[in-house]
Amino acid sequence: DAGVTQSPTHLIKTRGQQVTLRCSPISGHKSVSWYQQVLGQGPQFIFQYYEKEERGRGNFPDRFSARQFPNYSSELNVNALLLGDSALYLCASSLTGQVGSNQPQHFGDGTRLSIL
Amino acid sequence: KNQVEQSPQSLIILEGKNCTLQCNYTVSPFSNLRWYKQDTGRGPVSLTIMTFSENTKSNGRYTATLDADTKQSSLHITASQLSDSASYICVVGTEAGNNRKLIWGLGTSLAVNP
Repeated sequence: DAGVTQSPTHLIKTRGQQVTLRCSPISGHKSVSWYQQVLGQGPQFIFQYYEKEERGRGNFPDRFSARQFPNYSSELNVNALLLGDSALYLCASSLTGQVGSNQPQHFGDGTRLSIL
Repeated sequence: KNQVEQSPQSLIILEGKNCTLQCNYTVSPFSNLRWYKQDTGRGPVSLTIMTFSENTKSNGRYTATLDADTKQSSLHITASQLSDSASYICVVGTEAGNNRKLIWGLGTSLAVNP
């Protein structure tokens, strides 16, 4: 069975541009969470979606937005890119939307975003 | 303030040796504690998840312990292998009504040398 898949694997953008990252969860999983991981630090929570509705939001500016589709895949959009947005963006899927519960999260290998 | 602190920040051991990583947390209310392994350039992989009532859980050569009274956890790696070289991250789940969060530590970077 396929795990969590993310695309693209690498991306280079310039300041001010916009970017869309994509995530396909494990088959049967209805929840998708997005994280930003800066080099040398732990993942920082951005969004969680469950059944196409936002269930949680981290401390990120409005330049960050996301959505979940009927097939439970998800997109993360970042507008007006800044140098500080350079990071590994991770997507995690789980069966239910109970972030913080005992449900395990399964991560993809991320999209490495570099801002020049 | 909800925090998860891990020690040591980094560790170098020889192949075949054992090691123990530490996690202290001040998260309340406590729901669960997870250990993840993250290889360089890859996403985290779950090793163990423990609830309040569990004080030990194993996954192959990895054994996690939890002391909910002292708010401490450890991850013990037995007979280390070169493939154990990775970052090990402790994550604590908190659940207060409808407010559920995962609080991430910064990780311990482990290098296993031949």
